[in-house]
Amino acid sequence: DTAVSQTPKYLVTQMGNDKSIKCEQNLGHDTMYWYKQDSKKFLKIMFSYNNKELIINETVPNRFSPKSPDKAHLNLHINSLELGDSAVYFCASSQVLGTGGGYTFGSGTRLTVV
Amino acid sequence: AQSVSQHNHHVILSEAASLELGCNYSYGGTVNLFWYVQYPGQHLQLLLKYFSGDPLVKGIKGFEAEFIKSKFSFNLRKPSVQWSDTAEYFCAVKEADKLIFGTGTRLQVFP
Repeated sequence: DTAVSQTPKYLVTQMGNDKSIKCEQNLGHDTMYWYKQDSKKFLKIMFSYNNKELIINETVPNRFSPKSPDKAHLNLHINSLELGDSAVYFCASSQVLGTGGGYTFGSGTRLTVV
Repeated sequence: AQSVSQHNHHVILSEAASLELGCNYSYGGTVNLFWYVQYPGQHLQLLLKYFSGDPLVKGIKGFEAEFIKSKFSFNLRKPSVQWSDTAEYFCAVKEADKLIFGTGTRLQVFP
């Protein structure tokens, strides 16, 4: 059973399009995240949700909109895609702060904007 | 805000060599520290973590890390690397329920 699963694994699209990436976790974790890994492998948090509530929203263009229908799902919708959005997007989940757990990452979605 | 520095950007070793990757975080207090590994084309996997207690933390695949509070460091070590350890290694610190990552160290191990 995959703990944190993302779809699609690869996404190639043209500039200006709108696309979504889906994430689901079956670990019973309360918190989910989106991280962006750029071409230099640098990882930066974008969003965090706890029990469907947005708790972290870093400096991300408002073309990016996360949606959490329930605590097991966190989707990422991107409008008007730009070349600079090309990256690998990782979903992750964790237990509530302070319980000693780490973060479990999904396998990533490689987004290429052409 | 916290920041994490990994000064070794690219490390090349032969099999059986010993490994030490540096990690420094920016300020003290209670810290939760992590090392993650990313094998080529794969997602991040947790190697080990430090929350409290013994500052020498043992992880998976023979890795260990030592938390030295006075040096704001959490260096990763392995006494004898294998070709299969070729990967990207990320140090991270937890801040307000998010992970702040270092820029990563690329390790290449040659047979």
